[in-house]
Amino acid sequence: DAMVIQNPRYQVTQFGKPVTLSCSQTLNHNVMYWYQQKSSQAPKLLFHYYDKDFNNEADTPDNFQSRRPNTSFCFLDIRSPGLGDAAMYLCATSRGTSGGLETQYFGPGTRLLVL
Amino acid sequence: AQKITQTQPGMFVQEKEAVTLDCTYDTSDPSYGLFWYKQPSSGEMIFLIYQGSYDQQNATEGRYSLNFQKARKSANLVISASQLGDSAMYFCAMRERDTGNQFYFGTGTSLTVIP
Repeated sequence: DAMVIQNPRYQVTQFGKPVTLSCSQTLNHNVMYWYQQKSSQAPKLLFHYYDKDFNNEADTPDNFQSRRPNTSFCFLDIRSPGLGDAAMYLCATSRGTSGGLETQYFGPGTRLLVL
Repeated sequence: AQKITQTQPGMFVQEKEAVTLDCTYDTSDPSYGLFWYKQPSSGEMIFLIYQGSYDQQNATEGRYSLNFQKARKSANLVISASQLGDSAMYFCAMRERDTGNQFYFGTGTSLTVIP
């Protein structure tokens, strides 16, 4: 009964070689988030979508892009990965009702290794 | 100022004992939600418990309870009867009605359960 699915679970890429991480959800939630998490640190929000409205965090590097072609899917594109981009990438969703304070539901994450 | 503060980088607890993980928060929004997540070494963030700012009673979910002290702006997680499987990172998070879909995370507490 997976609700938030991330593929792949592990991704190895080369320095500078574009990579795409994918996330899908069966919850029909309005909001989808992408977080970057480095070892022993809190998750850092990169951006989120409310439906098709894209919200970029001010300190998210231009190297990171995202696409949400429909409600169920969201992609994280790293255009030219550097060694510093090696991390766990977490996708999450929330219902996003107006004024709501519901929780987020996370996927299992994708561990990215940059060689 | 930090929105969420977790002052315990690491905690140890004997199996079957109770443990309290500390969390303080900072907000001027009267309407907010507080969340605790567990992150095992596998990396997935698991939602544990939620407390709303207007809730009169402390939240409980099985062995998890939230000690909510609104005047002190603290939302400590209590785990009763600790099990070896409770060894993980624990993150406290907050969501404010005024900031919509943004979640603020603390730096986490690493809990180790000793047999």
